[in-house]
This record gives sequence, C-alpha cells and structure tokens, in this order.
Amino acid sequence: DADVTQTPRNRITKTGKRIMLECSQTKGHDRMYWYRQDPGLGLRLIYYSFDVKDINKGEISDGYSVSRQAQAKFSLSLESAIPNQTALYFCATSDPSTDEAGNYGYTFGSGTRLTVV
Amino acid sequence: AQSVTQPDIHITVSEGASLELRCNYSYGATPYLFWYVQSPGQGLQLLLKYFSGDTLVQGIKGFEAEFKRSQSSFNLRKPSVHWSDAAEYFCAGENRDDKIIFGKGTRLHILP
Repeated sequence: DADVTQTPRNRITKTGKRIMLECSQTKGHDRMYWYRQDPGLGLRLIYYSFDVKDINKGEISDGYSVSRQAQAKFSLSLESAIPNQTALYFCATSDPSTDEAGNYGYTFGSGTRLTVV
Repeated sequence: AQSVTQPDIHITVSEGASLELRCNYSYGATPYLFWYVQSPGQGLQLLLKYFSGDTLVQGIKGFEAEFKRSQSSFNLRKPSVHWSDAAEYFCAGENRDDKIIFGKGTRLHILP
C-alpha cells in the first residue's frame, strides 16, 4: 500500500456541486498539506496542517476548506465547485523531527485529477 | 517574500548530452532545497535534497545539484541524459518548521 493515498484518483463534477477529496497516510507524520497543480504554475499550497488541532491557509485557499479528522487523515472540500478549480490536486506529508541526514522530506500522494464542468 | 524561481519553462537536449536546470531561491536564510521530478501522469518523486554541509549533493538516477550561496542557486545537473529523463522538474525550498514552496517547473524534452 502507498504511504500517502488519495481518493478518488479522478473525478468529474458539475459546477456548484460540493466535492470532497480525501487523503490518508501511513507515515505517522504530523504535517499534512494540500497542493494544486496547474500547467505552467507549478504546485501551489491550498491548506496545511501541522497537527490535528492546527489548520492554516496557504496561498490559494479561497473556495476550499479542509478537515483534519485524525493524524492520518486530511480532507479537502470544494463547497461549490467552479470550472477554474479544474486541476491536479496533491496531498503531502512531512515530519521535521526526522534525522536531517536521513529521511526528512515530503511524501506525495499520486494525485487526484478533478474536472469541473 | 520567500520564493523559488525556475527561469526556464522548457529545455530541450539531445539524448546523451549534458543537462543543467536552473533554480534560484529568495529566502532570509539558507532554506532546505529540493529537486523533484514528475513523469507524465505521475506524482512527484524526490531526486535529491540539500540541508547543509557539502554543497554538491548526489541524488537518484544519476542527478546531482550544487548549492551556491553567493548566487542563491541550486542547479540540477546530469552528465548524460536518457530518453527516460523527459519529465517536468520542480525545484523547491523550505525554511525549517515552515512549508515547502515550489518553483513553476521546467519541462525537459529529449531529442533522439
């Protein structure tokens, strides 16, 4: 099983619908992130969470909300989807306590491709 | 503001030729620096990372990167590219206890 699992892998939804993207991890990391990838724009941070009680907005949080249900689960919601939210969405985890010479880094899920029509 | 800049949107090289992808960062202090690769339809894979110490970092798949503080750069290199290296490459930076910031990516094309 993957360390970071995103569901669904692909989703087509209609404008105005509410949709939730889910992320679960088996890394045991406290920190989780949601990014959005658009061609030519790289990955932009939507929301991040440094522990279960901590939620922070990223650079493009408008139109999105998140829920950190447990250390292992971090969900992203689009309350009322619009076509310019069509993108590839990535969840990631990290743990800054790991040995700097060892395994510190970010682990990414495989992505969710969302299309809003 | 903190930023990571990849000046080249597209790079085309011939198979077997050497490669250098540029990355510049703007941070108050030296950040952690990363290079990721994304093959078509895939997620991101970590190639290498720099935290401190030796400024030449070796990564996977024959890649290396050199940290140059005086130029605020962390360029990725490979002596001889293979067709399978065609992908999009992302440079990223992070302040300790902060979140990672990505450049906009460089798409690498390989000519046979």
